[in-house]
Amino acid sequence: GENVEQHPSTLSVQEGDSAVIKCTYSDSASNYFPWYKQELGKGPQLIIDIRSNVGEKKDQRIAVTLNKTAKHFSLHITETQPEDSAVYFCAASRGGKLIFGQGTELSVKP
Amino acid sequence: ETGVTQSPTHLIKTRGQQVTLRCSSQSGHNTVSWYQQALGQGPQFIFQYYREEENGRGNFPPRFSGLQFPNYSSELNVNALELDDSALYLCASSLGEKTEAFFGQGTRLTVV
Repeated sequence: GENVEQHPSTLSVQEGDSAVIKCTYSDSASNYFPWYKQELGKGPQLIIDIRSNVGEKKDQRIAVTLNKTAKHFSLHITETQPEDSAVYFCAASRGGKLIFGQGTELSVKP
Repeated sequence: ETGVTQSPTHLIKTRGQQVTLRCSSQSGHNTVSWYQQALGQGPQFIFQYYREEENGRGNFPPRFSGLQFPNYSSELNVNALELDDSALYLCASSLGEKTEAFFGQGTRLTVV
């Protein structure tokens, strides 16, 4: 069935370093790939997304890349700050149903 | 413009009882999706409502049901609660099924 694998499950970086989270998806018909940030006790917050007709998208310190052939997509955060600490989820979608990865707990140490 | 709001924020129920969770979609959004998020896991798709009709369902039993109202708000009903139903229930709204989905803060359901 449809599946999204996300790695790593935990990631610890020093403030100012870069962080990279990777996901693979199984459904080749998936055409929309959002990334969400979830802080403790809150709902997921959409931080960036990419559609299947685009290979890369950037928004300030955050960028996402998509390799449709390999069915991989990745989140890149540069110049990390302590407030970037949270759980990050990737998702793949076809027709509005989001299939989420298992999440990555990012810790940015001052 | 208001975001997605869910009520209640927390709820404790006894096994076998029934529960109704509510969601108000973001202004202008006509599609509502519900997700179940167990502790330490990613959200899992329960179902989606578009213009008051169910528009896709995940791998959840029929005791999970829903409604969407003319103002696009929505309810999730769960009958015959089981201990494993304890989770954070999330509602997301979007404009159509192919656009960005924005989540509410969730309802934390505990079944004892």
